[in-house]
Amino acid sequence: AAGVIQSPRHLIKEKRETATLKCYPIPRHDTVYWYQQGPGQDPQFLISFYEKMQSDKGSIPDRFSAQQFSDYHSELNMSSLELGDSALYFCASRWGASGYTFGSGTRLTVV
Amino acid sequence: TQLLEQSPQFLSIQEGENLTVYCNSSSVFSSLQWYRQEPGEGPVLLVTVVTGGEVKKLKRLTFQFGDARKDSSLHITAAQPGDTGLYLCAGITGGGNKLTFGTGTQLKVEL
Repeated sequence: AAGVIQSPRHLIKEKRETATLKCYPIPRHDTVYWYQQGPGQDPQFLISFYEKMQSDKGSIPDRFSAQQFSDYHSELNMSSLELGDSALYFCASRWGASGYTFGSGTRLTVV
Repeated sequence: TQLLEQSPQFLSIQEGENLTVYCNSSSVFSSLQWYRQEPGEGPVLLVTVVTGGEVKKLKRLTFQFGDARKDSSLHITAAQPGDTGLYLCAGITGGGNKLTFGTGTQLKVEL
């Protein structure tokens, strides 16, 4: 069965650079969620989209932005990267009241 | 403020032992989910509990939702090395659609 696809799996950036993370939800899933998980931490909700519109916003820094496109894939854009942005970034998708399916994540390392 | 507190934070046991993980909150959740996460991978949904007092069994795993829908427990019988991983509870509040994760329980089952 198709899963949530995230790319890239690993990304290394320098401070003050920008990064773009991509998420391709399960086909026909209309809701996408982004989470950030620091080392040894539980996942923290960043932002979500339903039918290409932002549906909820969590602890997402102003330096980050995200959007969901017409094909339902989503991108998380991160600018002016800081060392503290180093984390695993997960995307999850969902359709209606179905369960959440998480991708394998993108490990971002800022050096 | 962490809405969902899990205990214990770390647990190391021998194969064949039983264990219980607790997830407690002062908030009421419309439903609660349990996930298991392997290093470098996204959380994988184990179960969703919706009704206060509900008990669900998944092979050697038993999940219970508190009567007041504020707490939950996960009991594993005869633990195996394959049960090793990070166990996360996650609550969904009424009217919202984002998951709030618990603080996590890192389980290690040794031979």
